[in-house]
Amino acid sequence: KAGVTQTPRYLIKTRGQQVTLSCSPISGHRSVSWYQQTPGQGLQFLFEYFSETQRNKGNFPGRFSGRQFSNSRSEMNVSTLELGDSALYLCASSSIWPATEAFFGQGTRLTVV
Amino acid sequence: SQQGEEDPQALSIQEGENATMNCSYKTSINNLQWYRQNSGRGLVHLILIRSNEREKHSGRLRVTLDTSKKSSSLLITASRAADTASYFCAVEYGNKLVFGAGTILRVKS
Repeated sequence: KAGVTQTPRYLIKTRGQQVTLSCSPISGHRSVSWYQQTPGQGLQFLFEYFSETQRNKGNFPGRFSGRQFSNSRSEMNVSTLELGDSALYLCASSSIWPATEAFFGQGTRLTVV
Repeated sequence: SQQGEEDPQALSIQEGENATMNCSYKTSINNLQWYRQNSGRGLVHLILIRSNEREKHSGRLRVTLDTSKKSSSLLITASRAADTASYFCAVEYGNKLVFGAGTILRVKS
């Protein structure tokens, strides 16, 4: 079966802009979680959605938001981009949460200039 | 931080040698997982060990868990150049899957 698909793979945005990233989970998986990965902070948990409801949220400002659709696809949005938002954004899907096996997408590399 | 912490931060070995990475965590856990990440790509699940297990094997991977010391180790035997990657442990904290900082493994051929 198809893996987790994240689009786009690469993105360059200017400070102050907003961005939307997309994640399509493995078919049948209802839990989607998002992580931000940077060299300095490592993998930081952003939020987790299950059946269109955000169940868990990490310690990120309100500029970071997300949603999940009825087909389990998820989007995350970052408004008023800052240079420090440059990172690899990873999406993971699983059938349960916390996952005993999380399946990750290839990530979206966001560069803010 | 409630993350697992891996050591060493980086490890460089010759092909055929064994590689050992360690992970320490702070509170009691239900299970501990190990993931691999090839440069700039997504993470791949390697193995899960439950809190009532002490050792688990999967191919060339051997994972141990010592709940009294709150630590785990990942051993890769007979390493190959293709094992070059970052390795992360992950534990559940507050209904979140929290990852350590990772160990960068370089296997030289």
